[in-house]
Amino acid sequence: QKEVEQNSGPLSVPEGAIASLNCTYSDRVSQSFFWYRQYSGKSPELIMSIYSNGDKEDGRFTAQLNKASQYVSLLIRDSQPSDSATYLCAVNYGGSQGNLIFGKGTKLSVKP
Amino acid sequence: DAMVIQNPRYQVTQFGKPVTLSCSQTLNHNVMYWYQQKSSQAPKLLFHYYDKDFNNEADTPDNFQSRRPNTSFCFLDIRSPGLGDAAMYLCATSPWGDGFTEAFFGQGTRLTVV
Repeated sequence: QKEVEQNSGPLSVPEGAIASLNCTYSDRVSQSFFWYRQYSGKSPELIMSIYSNGDKEDGRFTAQLNKASQYVSLLIRDSQPSDSATYLCAVNYGGSQGNLIFGKGTKLSVKP
Repeated sequence: DAMVIQNPRYQVTQFGKPVTLSCSQTLNHNVMYWYQQKSSQAPKLLFHYYDKDFNNEADTPDNFQSRRPNTSFCFLDIRSPGLGDAAMYLCATSPWGDGFTEAFFGQGTRLTVV
């Protein structure tokens, strides 16, 4: 059973702080990793994708991947109240056929 | 704009009455997914199509069926909805390739069973 694990939270941070979201996955052959943001009642929207070990930065967001530890994280710098949402970690297990599995998500609350 | 469109956005159906949810895409993607998401839970993959090849998840109930008549359209049929099937149903697409590309989601259909 391929699994994606996240701490459900809620994670509460003050405005301007760094929010750190973590995810582990069960299958070493996984190739691609994604972070989605989901506002309540809405569909997921892609925030970041990462495929290689190390860090990938995009604006206030940094994704980190460690394949040896089967661990992927998302850092949000200068957190804003508008960042308050559920963040879903997703792992592509299926190669070219694309079998995309989601974690339960971490609910982030950014307090003004 | 190219996109993934789900209809309807909100669907109310009676207990046991068959219902069909639809998804269309203008992205020309080979992979189409159907996910079920209940409140405060992860999107749960029900099945996906790789072109015409249907891939059913092992724990997807037989009550759920899908059709993909062409590249652009995919349907989710719930043969006899129960109260436990009330959820948001998400359709997503992904390009054929090497598995490194993300999924693009539609706006979802919220299903209520009464």
